[in-house]
Amino acid sequence: DAGITQSPRYKITETGRQVTLMCHQTWSHSYMFWYRQDLGHGLRLIYYSAAADITDKGEVPDGYVVSRSKTENFPLTLESATRSQTSVYFCATGAQETQYFGPGTRLLVL
Amino acid sequence: DAKTTQPNSMESNEEEPVHLPCNHSTISGTDYIHWYRQLPSQGPEYVIHGLTSNVNNRMASLAIAEDRKSSTLILHRATLRDAAVYYCILDTGTASKLTFGTGTRLQVTL
Repeated sequence: DAGITQSPRYKITETGRQVTLMCHQTWSHSYMFWYRQDLGHGLRLIYYSAAADITDKGEVPDGYVVSRSKTENFPLTLESATRSQTSVYFCATGAQETQYFGPGTRLLVL
Repeated sequence: DAKTTQPNSMESNEEEPVHLPCNHSTISGTDYIHWYRQLPSQGPEYVIHGLTSNVNNRMASLAIAEDRKSSTLILHRATLRDAAVYYCILDTGTASKLTFGTGTRLQVTL
């Protein structure tokens, strides 16, 4: 019973490459979210999804693409990675009044 | 989104109570007050939330001012494991978008 998992946990890539971060939940929660956290800052919302096939932009969506063909998966793609996208990425699910966060993916773009 | 104001950092001795304040003078009548915390190198985790009345759970207590313009998260007996960044967040209570500020970094010492 993993709850919410993210993969990979660590990723190093180069500028211009496409990178996909995976998020999987076993609870069937309707809402899913992607946040990024930069050193010394709080979390900022990138994209979120209220249900399968429904996604919407958050605070910092530029340079990212999401999809949600199945309730349990919410992949985040960096179409052409830039150094400014070096960050820790957290996926979360939402149920009623609470969000549950994954362990995060540390991404380094060289 | 309504904003919250928290001290950047606080210190506490182990086994003593900790009171973490949050000001939210522009809170609306439908905003819930949520608290999350983020342990080092982990994703945020839910602590507690409330609307008008004080709330208690196994982790903490939430004291909400009568005018709802401020609230206090109370850890009854701080332990070293409670050292984390604590975030006070306002939300409509639907587990939809949460806006994280920079939070309060709590240090717990022996």
